[in-house]
Amino acid sequence: KNEVEQSPQNLTAQEGEFITINCSYSVGISALHWLQQHPGGGIVSLFMLSSGKKKHGRLIATINIQEKHSSLHITASHPRDSAVYICAPSSGGGADGLTFGKGTHLIIQP
Amino acid sequence: GAVVSQHPSWVICKSGTSVKIECRSLDFQATTMFWYRQFPKQSLMLMATSNEGSKATYEQGVEKDKFLINHASLTLSTLTVTSAHPEDSSFYICSARGYSDTQYFGPGTRLTVL
Repeated sequence: KNEVEQSPQNLTAQEGEFITINCSYSVGISALHWLQQHPGGGIVSLFMLSSGKKKHGRLIATINIQEKHSSLHITASHPRDSAVYICAPSSGGGADGLTFGKGTHLIIQP
Repeated sequence: GAVVSQHPSWVICKSGTSVKIECRSLDFQATTMFWYRQFPKQSLMLMATSNEGSKATYEQGVEKDKFLINHASLTLSTLTVTSAHPEDSSFYICSARGYSDTQYFGPGTRLTVL
């Protein structure tokens, strides 16, 4: 079973700040998802990555497979970024059911 | 991007009744669909994986006779909670995967069993 640790669990920051959320896992994987869950519960897949770095708008995700660690960064944070961010590694090429971290609850204050 | 819908978005039922939740991929063919459950303030947990035309694979601890999954077509999977009890109250989310490795999530169904 893959143990997934996210930090911090809760983060409150001011608008414009650079945000970093970290994820560590215990079992080697082939891919990892970063998900965003809004207060109503809906989930959006932000990234799936298996190596290196991906960027989409103000979001950047990095992964180090050897160190079993991934980070999600948000540049120029905005109140609409407030959500729960969830790290979810997959051991089956990204296609298997995921193991989820407990999530990081992010609040961006204006 | 790919869209996955779920219906209903919320449901309240009496203990002992059965509830069916639909998960549809609207603009792509989903060869695999996943069903997850999330209790308040907890992580999502995988319940089962279903491939079109095959029997679902259930995770350990998930009763297959209680949570019936049917993936009859490449765009539709259903989860039926049979003889629901208050402890089944939860947020149920499906995701669908087509021919890429990306999973697309539905908006979720909040089930409350009285």
